[in-house]
Amino acid sequence: EVQLVESGGGLVQPGGSLRLSCAASGFTFNTYGMNWVRQPPGKGLEWVSYISHTGTATHYADSVKGRFTISRDNAKNSLYLQMSSLRDEDTAVYYCARALRDGYDAWGQGTLVTVSS
Amino acid sequence: EIVMTQSPATLSVSPGERATLSCRASQSVSSNLAWYQQKPGQAPRFLIYGASSRATGIPARFSGSGSGTEFTLTISSLQSEDFAVYYCQQYNDWPQWTFGQGTKVEIK
Repeated sequence: EVQLVESGGGLVQPGGSLRLSCAASGFTFNTYGMNWVRQPPGKGLEWVSYISHTGTATHYADSVKGRFTISRDNAKNSLYLQMSSLRDEDTAVYYCARALRDGYDAWGQGTLVTVSS
Repeated sequence: EIVMTQSPATLSVSPGERATLSCRASQSVSSNLAWYQQKPGQAPRFLIYGASSRATGIPARFSGSGSGTEFTLTISSLQSEDFAVYYCQQYNDWPQWTFGQGTKVEIK
């Protein structure tokens, strides 16, 4: 069974940093691109970042470019999102999602990040 | 950025009735469109890809259609477990795959 389990969310002050993790199991992790997608409370879904299966290619939404860094450790079947210079508008549930050529077919349960003083 | 617009924002339907949800793209996305279902407190669930192909394990009452800029998700006979929020997503503009704002299907 494909499983994605996020962790690392919490309360952080504006300007602070946080590192999210996503542990993958049930599939060959190093053959899939992976994404982070976020959802502010009561709002819709927003793609945040993508990383290729080897980790050599990364992409970011304009809203997080220069502040967030996506990475992966294929030996540990893990995906990461390093977030810095956090803003109020970064408050959201953050999901990791497995990328197929035509959609995100597996999602974690999400981890809540709250940016507030 | 391709903007996806869903309508209506909320759809009130009785169990057993048909629900028709719309999604419009600001420019052509060919058939590179997916649909997701999200229930409160849960992660999105992959329903449809390629505008009309059902993902693994998705019941036949869910169907998608359309191409270019206009797309439709139809639920032929609503079951209690189908009341949820539905999102469309274009994946024509890789990797910035944008979502619509969602349509909430509620019990009438």
